[in-house]
Amino acid sequence: EAGVAQSPRYKIIEKRQSVAFWCNPISGHATLYWYQQILGQGPKLLIQFQNNGVVDDSQLPKDRFSAERLKGVDSTLKIQPAKLEDSAVYLCASSLYRGRGNEQFFGPGTRLTVL
Amino acid sequence: DQQVKQNSPSLSVQEGRISILNCDYTNSMFDYFLWYKKYPAEGPTFLISISSIKDKNEDGRFTVFLNKSAKHLSLHIVPSQPGDSAVYFCAASGASGSRLTFGEGTQLTVNP
Repeated sequence: EAGVAQSPRYKIIEKRQSVAFWCNPISGHATLYWYQQILGQGPKLLIQFQNNGVVDDSQLPKDRFSAERLKGVDSTLKIQPAKLEDSAVYLCASSLYRGRGNEQFFGPGTRLTVL
Repeated sequence: DQQVKQNSPSLSVQEGRISILNCDYTNSMFDYFLWYKKYPAEGPTFLISISSIKDKNEDGRFTVFLNKSAKHLSLHIVPSQPGDSAVYFCAASGASGSRLTFGEGTQLTVNP
């Protein structure tokens, strides 16, 4: 079974530029998550989708971050414009369904450096 | 507001000995706890979990203990192996859904 795929793996941009990350979850997984992991910290949930609907975006900085999951499969996360503090690893995860006890499978992440 | 805290950034143990990783939480609404392991350049992978109705869960060399009154959980690895060297994250969730709140992680190094 293929895992969660993410691209690109690394991205370097200058502040105020825009950037987009792509995620392809495990086939059949209805729930998709985007996390931000700043160096030295644990992953922090940015947004959670159930199929193509948003169920939790309370920690997403909506003035600059946006995400979509068209057709309930692939997802993109965009930052526009980027700030220095956005430097982090962006992790995508998926699970069969929502709820406790439901294992989240993580992709390898995209390491973003904002100069 | 750090609701899940791992106070030890790093831990070093000898191969064959026990590794004990600790985690504290402050939110009494958390009722499900997980440990994830992360190797460099990879995403976290699920290791073991425990519900608040239990105080212990065991899976092979890995055991998680939960002390609800102290809001504390620990992961025991016995015996420790060099391949266990990784960053270990504690995570918690509440009844409201599947949002996980992670701790900062502990880097475990198992020396041969």
